[in-house]
Amino acid sequence: DAKTTQPTSMDCAEGRAANLPCNHSTISGNEYVYWYRQIHSQGPQYIIHGLKNNETNEMASLIITEDRKSSTLILPHATLRDTAVYYCIVRVNQAGTALIFGKGTTLSVSS
Amino acid sequence: DTAVSQTPKYLVTQMGNDKSIKCEQNLGHDTMYWYKQDSKKFLKIMFSYNNKELIINETVPNRFSPKSPDKAHLNLHINSLELGDSAVYFCASSHNENGNEQYFGPGTRLTVT
Repeated sequence: DAKTTQPTSMDCAEGRAANLPCNHSTISGNEYVYWYRQIHSQGPQYIIHGLKNNETNEMASLIITEDRKSSTLILPHATLRDTAVYYCIVRVNQAGTALIFGKGTTLSVSS
Repeated sequence: DTAVSQTPKYLVTQMGNDKSIKCEQNLGHDTMYWYKQDSKKFLKIMFSYNNKELIINETVPNRFSPKSPDKAHLNLHINSLELGDSAVYFCASSHNENGNEQYFGPGTRLTVT
């Protein structure tokens, strides 16, 4: 079972920042926080991951609380193409470890 | 260039038939996976292979058999297809180095009638 809790859905206006929260209160010390998204009818797409520190890449930023029990994915300037289901997943960083998907958050970006 | 490709994209077949789905990755990755996404959109791991060796085999009926002829390919054979096998099947791959984020294929939509 997934070890994360996410809101079922969120809305965001185009051009605004989208902040997607995730609770993972039972995360273990060796588990990373990963974010993936699935745009309609496509395969899941990796976004970002982190252990303790905040991370940023060309797609998004990941803010992890100091106690690591929750995190927030930030899409700084959401576009219509960011409409998707966003999955927050915790897993050990080990070759072959499967992703355990929960229900995710459906983000709807509108103009 | 397509990183993870699957064929066919759509597969419609009758109950009792045997079918295969092919997956190929050109990323030089060491590990490959099969996931199933059912009608309720839940994604679940089925198998994973690392360097052609099976390392994850979830509770999947033995009618499903993965075959890895080499590191770049992981095919899925399904015998005696049932209505409940209808789903979208995703192949994925990852490198063994730290991070090992998984790259997914476009999916194969299997419909059993």
